[in-house]
Amino acid sequence: QKEVEQNSGPLSVPEGAIASLNCTYSDRGSQSFFWYRQYSGKSPELIMFIYSNGDKEDGRFTAQLNKASQYVSLLIRDSQPSDSATYLCAVNEGTSYDKVIFGPGTSLSVIP
Amino acid sequence: NAGVTQTPKFRILKIGQSMTLQCTQDMNHNYMYWYRQDPGMGLKLIYYSVGAGITDKGEVPNGYNVSRSTTEDFPLRLELAAPSQTSVYFCASSYHGPRGNSPLHFGNGTRLTVT
Repeated sequence: QKEVEQNSGPLSVPEGAIASLNCTYSDRGSQSFFWYRQYSGKSPELIMFIYSNGDKEDGRFTAQLNKASQYVSLLIRDSQPSDSATYLCAVNEGTSYDKVIFGPGTSLSVIP
Repeated sequence: NAGVTQTPKFRILKIGQSMTLQCTQDMNHNYMYWYRQDPGMGLKLIYYSVGAGITDKGEVPNGYNVSRSTTEDFPLRLELAAPSQTSVYFCASSYHGPRGNSPLHFGNGTRLTVT
C-alpha cells in the first residue's frame, strides 16, 4: 500500500512567522504533488502543485520538492490567522498514475 | 458554472439500507474521484474514473460500487450500509488528471451517518 505521511500537528505559529509543513511519500514513481487547504467543515481547495525538484513560489507560499529524499514541503511566510486550517498533501501513485492519494493532513493554528 | 455538485448534503441510514450518492460536474472533466473523510483524518480514495465507461478501485473500495455512464455523472452506491461507512464523502473532478498536473475540484460533500 502506497503511503503519504504528514506530521499530524497541531502546529502552532505566531502571526507573521513562517509555518513549515512536511510530507513524505513511499512511492518513488510518484510524479505530481499537490497541497490543499481545508477549513473545518469545508471542502479541500488547491494551494499549489509541484512536479520538478526544487522550489516553487506563489505569493506567500513556497512548495519544495526533493524526489531523491521523497519529501515535499510547504512554507507559509508571514502567516495570518486566516491560514489556520488543515493542510493536505496529495500525491499521484507511480504505477496507477491517475490515482491520487492524500496524507492525513497537518492542522495549523496561527496565533494572533 | 456550478462546478461539482453532490447530493444529498446529509443523510442518515439504518444498518443494512442502501443508497446512492450523486455527483455531477459541468466542467467537461474526464477524471472523477470519490473520497471519504473520517473525523480528524485525511481523505481515502474509494473509486476513480478516467472517463466514461472506465472505473477503477482506490484504497478503500469494499462496500461501495460506482458507474460512469456519462462524462458528467459519477454516482457512488452503498450496498448494505454499515456503521463503519459513517463519514463525509467528497466527489472531485479534474480535467487532465495528475499526469497533466490538473488539480482536483471538490464538491461540498455528503455527510452520511449509519446507525
